[in-house]
Amino acid sequence: DQQVKQNSPSLSVQEGRISILNCDYTNSMFDYFLWYKKYPAEGPTFLISISSIKDKNEDGRFTVFLNKSAKHLSLHIVPSQPGDSAVYFCAASRLTGGGADGLTFGKGTHLIIQP
Amino acid sequence: DAGVTQSPTHLIKTRGQQVTLRCSPISGHKSVSWYQQVLGQGPQFIFQYYEKEERGRGNFPDRFSARQFPNYSSELNVNALLLGDSALYLCASSLVAGGGPYNEQFFGPGTRLTVL
Repeated sequence: DQQVKQNSPSLSVQEGRISILNCDYTNSMFDYFLWYKKYPAEGPTFLISISSIKDKNEDGRFTVFLNKSAKHLSLHIVPSQPGDSAVYFCAASRLTGGGADGLTFGKGTHLIIQP
Repeated sequence: DAGVTQSPTHLIKTRGQQVTLRCSPISGHKSVSWYQQVLGQGPQFIFQYYEKEERGRGNFPDRFSARQFPNYSSELNVNALLLGDSALYLCASSLVAGGGPYNEQFFGPGTRLTVL
């Protein structure tokens, strides 16, 4: 029973265009959401996060949107660059539970930026 | 500044054997978490430790155990290895237990365990 779902295993986007990665969750107790980026042979790298009290958080080229009623979040990358090619993981946690049950990850989306 | 380090990088074991994986957190971080990433899946939470105490445990059998030392480094032990234990084992460190803003988890490169 997957609580965090990334339904697109891969996404191909042209350099300079917008990349939109999607994530859905089923557990309404999740209140903090994160995106991690992973290159081969490296551990996941934290990218951006959002608390459930917000609906948008922006950091440079990266923006995360949260729609709590739809239990959906998305990561926008504008403009997309070749170095953005990586696997992107959506993750969720329950801060109200002390966060002691760790992060729940989706399966990841492999983003490929085409020159 | 050194990031999270893990050893060994790769490991090959046979079914029934025992394995110990090691993790050193970022300097100043007091919490360590362990995750298992099976091929094609996202990381799955195993344990969280803070100040040498277990603070959280995921849905893993008792064959999995861990501990944290006074210097905040940690070991993950897996007994009676099964073929299904083959995975990338990731260690993550954070300032304190739990999560949230300004307390994100930083991951090491992982230990690739192959069970034959």
